[in-house]
Amino acid sequence: KAGVTQTPRYLIKTRGQQVTLSCSPISGHRSVSWYQQTPGQGLQFLFEYFSETQRNKGNFPGRFSGRQFSNSRSEMNVSTLELGDSALYLCASSSLTSGETDTQYFGPGTRLTVL
Amino acid sequence: GDSVTQMEGPVTLSEEAFLTINCTYTATGYPSLFWYVQYPGEGLQLLLKATKADDKGSNKGFEATYRKETTSFHLEKGSVQVSDSAVYFCALSVGGKLIFGQGTELSVKP
Repeated sequence: KAGVTQTPRYLIKTRGQQVTLSCSPISGHRSVSWYQQTPGQGLQFLFEYFSETQRNKGNFPGRFSGRQFSNSRSEMNVSTLELGDSALYLCASSSLTSGETDTQYFGPGTRLTVL
Repeated sequence: GDSVTQMEGPVTLSEEAFLTINCTYTATGYPSLFWYVQYPGEGLQLLLKATKADDKGSNKGFEATYRKETTSFHLEKGSVQVSDSAVYFCALSVGGKLIFGQGTELSVKP
């Protein structure tokens, strides 16, 4: 089975721009979560989607948004980029089947640099 | 609130040395516990997990036991290799999200 894929792998943007990141979960996984990783704050939860609905949201400003499509693929969008948004953005998927309800499998991440 | 605390790194060991990375947690209820590993330039890989008290997770020579009485989930390996050099994250699952420790960088020298 193919793992979680994320595109693009690297992205450079300037302040004020917006960006869209994409994530394709493991086949059959219906839950997709997003995390931000920075040297200062570590790994922080952004949001989780299941069946095209946001079920859970972390403590991030409204500039961070996401969505999920009927094929479980997910996108996250960051508008009005700030220097502090530079980070590795990780996507994780979960099957939510019996015995695997909590287990999340991560993609390679998208490295976003804001100049 | 729920949180995870890991021993600070970096940890430097010689090849074949014994490894322990301490992890303690604070949580309401009985969360599942995980260890993830991150190699340079990569995402997180699930290393092992435990879903209830006294469960032992194991994988690739690494082990960790879910200790409810001490709220701990320490990672151990009997003999580390250079290829184990990476950053290790302890995490708990609550309400569908993972809460991570700050990560412990491990460097294994030949």
